Amino acid sequence: EPEVTQTPSHQVTQMGQEVILRCVPISNHLYFYWYRQILGQKVEFLVSFYNNEISEKSEIFDDQFSVERPDGSNFTLKIRSTKLEDSAMYFCASSESNTQETQYFGPGTRLLVL
Amino acid sequence: QKEVEQNSGPLSVPEGAIASLNCTYSDRGSQSFFWYRQYSGKSPELIMSIYSNGDKEDGRFTAQLNKASQYVSLLIRDSQPSDSATYLCAVPFTGTASKLTFGTGTRLQVTL
Repeated sequence: EPEVTQTPSHQVTQMGQEVILRCVPISNHLYFYWYRQILGQKVEFLVSFYNNEISEKSEIFDDQFSVERPDGSNFTLKIRSTKLEDSAMYFCASSESNTQETQYFGPGTRLLVL
Repeated sequence: QKEVEQNSGPLSVPEGAIASLNCTYSDRGSQSFFWYRQYSGKSPELIMSIYSNGDKEDGRFTAQLNKASQYVSLLIRDSQPSDSATYLCAVPFTGTASKLTFGTGTRLQVTL
């Protein structure tokens, strides 16, 4: 069964450093998403991406964040200058069409900013 | 502020019993509703989606939707210890074409 994959599974970084989280969405899916979940809190939407551009972003997704689809398979989230409060699980998801369709989540990247 | 509300629990049910998980949402125009299961430290895994008023059954799981009351529920029949997890209700609100809003989740504990 096709699934969303993410790398790395864990990332430890120093405050102020740049991190890139990688995702490979399900191959025939057209919509891609990033969510995050701070420990003990709810899953929060960050950004959605369709047709090589951002279709929607939350207030969390400020200038420190960017997304890219550098090739036909990968979808990346870059945090330019990490802060302590960026420590969270980051989930990539994809769907065949818009959110009226099911979003399938990857296993997540646990980011720890020290 | 558009919200999805769930009782955080824990909801404790004995093995073999029916677990009933509830969710209310604030956007009357919402058209689709999703239940995800999340084990500790893992990602959300889709359990059910429901789009129309009434019941939708899939194995031991039944989703129930009442749009007039802005209420969606998930019933788990013959609960098993492996069902112990946090159950997340997720709703895309109108005007947000590509964003799922999640509730805080209800933690279910199935006891032996």
